[in-house]
Amino acid sequence: AQKITQTQPGMFVQEKEAVTLDCTYDTSDQSYGLFWYKQPSSGEMIFLIYQGSYDEQNATEGRYSLNFQKARKSANLVISASQLGDSAMYFCAMRPSGSARQLTFGSGTQLTVLP
Amino acid sequence: GAGVSQSPSNKVTEKGKDVELRCDPISGHTALYWYRQSLGQGLEFLIYFQGNSAPDKSGLPSDRFSAERTGGSVSTLTIQRTQQEDSAVYLCASRLPVGGAQYFGPGTRLTVT
Repeated sequence: AQKITQTQPGMFVQEKEAVTLDCTYDTSDQSYGLFWYKQPSSGEMIFLIYQGSYDEQNATEGRYSLNFQKARKSANLVISASQLGDSAMYFCAMRPSGSARQLTFGSGTQLTVLP
Repeated sequence: GAGVSQSPSNKVTEKGKDVELRCDPISGHTALYWYRQSLGQGLEFLIYFQGNSAPDKSGLPSDRFSAERTGGSVSTLTIQRTQQEDSAVYLCASRLPVGGAQYFGPGTRLTVT
């Protein structure tokens, strides 16, 4: 079984500053993938970034980077230079690698960017 | 190209009625997933289809829920004898056969009165 824990129900950040959203996970799988999604108030789930458990480097995608610490089973999302449009709910998710199985999601973090 | 589409975007129904929710995945995506998201909650897996394999129905909450996928493309999620606790946003996602992220549709907001 897989479990994702997001301990920050809500976070605030000043525009143009960086923010880290926490995600820890638990799994018995040797190989797995970690994902972050953004859900704005419109409701659509937007894929942001992916990290494979055997990837040696942390994933980056524009202003998003994933701080992957395998020994600690954490996969924190870092958003640099926050923008007002970054205000949304953010979900961490995981899935065993090489499978089509469903994603297991955390409970999410509501990020608010302040002007 | 076109993303995942879902219809209707909103559905209000009376308790006890049946509803059908439709999902049209991204062309070429053989894996299709249904999730449910209750207000302020994370996503709950319902069912997934992978190519011609038997679907994984392990997340369906009761036998009132069923889904089918015709021709390996469009999928319909059916909820029979709806209950108020079925009120939620139902999200569909699709994925390429090998690797990659799931891409979500805009969801159907179901309200059972």
